[in-house]
Amino acid sequence: NAGVMQNPRHLVRRRGQEARLRCSPMKGHSHVYWYRQLPEEGLKFMVYLQKENIIDESGMPKERFSAEFPKEGPSILRIQQVVRGDSAAYFCASSPSLALTTDTQYFGPGTRLTVL
Amino acid sequence: AQSVTQLDSHVSVSEGTPVLLRCNYSSSYSPSLFWYVQHPNKGLQLLLKYTSAATLVKGINGFEAEFKKSETSFHLTKPSAHMSDAAEYFCVVSPFGNEKLTFGTGTRLTIIP
Repeated sequence: NAGVMQNPRHLVRRRGQEARLRCSPMKGHSHVYWYRQLPEEGLKFMVYLQKENIIDESGMPKERFSAEFPKEGPSILRIQQVVRGDSAAYFCASSPSLALTTDTQYFGPGTRLTVL
Repeated sequence: AQSVTQLDSHVSVSEGTPVLLRCNYSSSYSPSLFWYVQHPNKGLQLLLKYTSAATLVKGINGFEAEFKKSETSFHLTKPSAHMSDAAEYFCVVSPFGNEKLTFGTGTRLTIIP
């Protein structure tokens, strides 16, 4: 059973360009979470999605950032008009269901975004 | 609301000596608590989790943690450090174990040969 997959692993963009980060959850997992890790910091929650639904986007910046998890295909985190402050590692995690206490989020290897 | 405080940003221990990484939490609900490890330029790996069962939780690679409600602590320990344990360790809290996770700022563990 393959783990959570993210691609690309490294992404370089110039200021003003768009960045698209993809996440394929583990097989059988229907919940996806995106986190951002700035240099020398812990991970910060961004958004929680189920298929075709955004459940909680309280951690998403109000502008330029969007996320989706379509019925078919991977979850996409999209950053429009990137700025240098968007440089970070973006991690995706998945879990199978909304069990109250037992499920665990499994993390992908991350996408390291560098904005020049 | 929940929060996590990792009391030490850096810990250095000699190989073969015990490891103690400290974590205090705050949560409005009965929390689920986790420790994750991150090796340089890698993703996060789950070490162990507490979900209201036994208060002493055993994880992978010889690590364990004890949930102490009276002290709101969830410290991570290992009896004997190995060079491969050098990494960043994150204490994490979640109110129900499967919603947005709240991460501590991390503790960087260095192992001295």
